[in-house]
Amino acid sequence: GQQVMQIPQYQHVQEGEDFTTYCNSSTTLSNIQWYKQRPGGHPVFLIQLVKSGEVKKQKRLTFQFGEAKKNSSLHITATQTTDVGTYFCAALRMDSSYKLIFGSGTRLLVRP
Amino acid sequence: EAGVAQSPRYKIIEKRQSVAFWCNPISGHATLYWYQQILGQGPKLLIQFQNNGVVDDSQLPKDRFSAERLKGVDSTLKIQPAKLEDSAVYLCASSGLTNTGELFFGEGSRLTVL
Repeated sequence: GQQVMQIPQYQHVQEGEDFTTYCNSSTTLSNIQWYKQRPGGHPVFLIQLVKSGEVKKQKRLTFQFGEAKKNSSLHITATQTTDVGTYFCAALRMDSSYKLIFGSGTRLLVRP
Repeated sequence: EAGVAQSPRYKIIEKRQSVAFWCNPISGHATLYWYQQILGQGPKLLIQFQNNGVVDDSQLPKDRFSAERLKGVDSTLKIQPAKLEDSAVYLCASSGLTNTGELFFGEGSRLTVL
């Protein structure tokens, strides 16, 4: 089964509000990636985090990797309707070959 | 640069029938993945190839699913016989040329088993 937990499952926000999704693992991770999947589409790579405590920004998106490398978050500031989709974290465990385990995803809906 | 190609995009079959999906990864990508994505869930890795060798197939239901990548380029995923619970999108992805480790996904093949 899934070994990477992601919360919340759904988030419905008003355009302009902020949004955050969290990804948690019981085991230490080598790195974590984030993907966005638009409705009816396929996952598209957003970013990879490797270092403990790493923070990366892409315009309105801020990605963090926890100090213990067991959790990560994606924060979107001032959501827009174009942010609609499902956001997945994908974790590479320290003890695995290059095998990405995807979280269950957070579906973001934005009211215009 | 051409992306990951998959076919067919859609397939409807009855249970106990067989189906095959094809994937052509991005040129030069050594690693190829098949994921199963059931509606409302995250992609689940079925099998991972490095060139023409299997790296991981621990979650592939081997009694009914098979996959091959004979020449280390394109790949085929087969299901025989199909069950109702196999209804899902089958995503092919490849990686290899970037140092970010990102996966490039195809559009997917949506399977409906009746």
